[in-house]
Amino acid sequence: AQSVAQPEDQVNVAEGNPLTVKCTYSVSGNPYLFWYVQYPNRGLQFLLKYITGDNLVKGSYGFEAEFNKSQTSFHLKKPSALVSDSALYFCAVRDGRGFQKLVFGTGTRLLVSP
Amino acid sequence: NAGVMQNPRHLVRRRGQEARLRCSPMKGHSHVYWYRQLPEEGLKFMVYLQKENIIDESGMPKERFSAEFPKEGPSILRIQQVVRGDSAAYFCASSPPGVNPTYEQYFGPGTRLTVT
Repeated sequence: AQSVAQPEDQVNVAEGNPLTVKCTYSVSGNPYLFWYVQYPNRGLQFLLKYITGDNLVKGSYGFEAEFNKSQTSFHLKKPSALVSDSALYFCAVRDGRGFQKLVFGTGTRLLVSP
Repeated sequence: NAGVMQNPRHLVRRRGQEARLRCSPMKGHSHVYWYRQLPEEGLKFMVYLQKENIIDESGMPKERFSAEFPKEGPSILRIQQVVRGDSAAYFCASSPPGVNPTYEQYFGPGTRLTVT
């Protein structure tokens, strides 16, 4: 069965500092990994995805994520955080065996202080 | 290019009433997914539909919940005889035609159901 773990409920970082939001996954087939962001009372916005190839994936708003197969991780990173990055971040995985549904982690709240 | 549309955005129902949630996918998308988000939790998959077909309903509660995606019109998630535990945000997502695991899903703004 597919599963995603986001070990941190909240991450606090000062504006201008680098940020990392952690995600580990478990799938039986090839993993397809996604990051989404949710602002208050809004739907989810797609940030980036890993399909195959380069382990460092670049996405929207300056975010990037690093895929590590041996550690089964897909951590979200940004070199310099902005206050406007404060939101709820979800990691999701899809099993490459043909299952279309996304399995989400429980989310990590990112709080960027001025 | 309109995104995924959901209505209503907020819905209040009394216990025992029916709730109907509507979702219009992005233009050109033929796959629709419904997810439920309980307070302070992640999204849980409910059902995956293509036009006139339910492909995967493994996340749907066995009773009171149903979904459809007719040939014409929006997808409907229907909850009969609502209970307080049904209070949640219900999100619809869509993706392009073709069964391709690389496609991301595009989410609507959600319908927040409150059962009083």
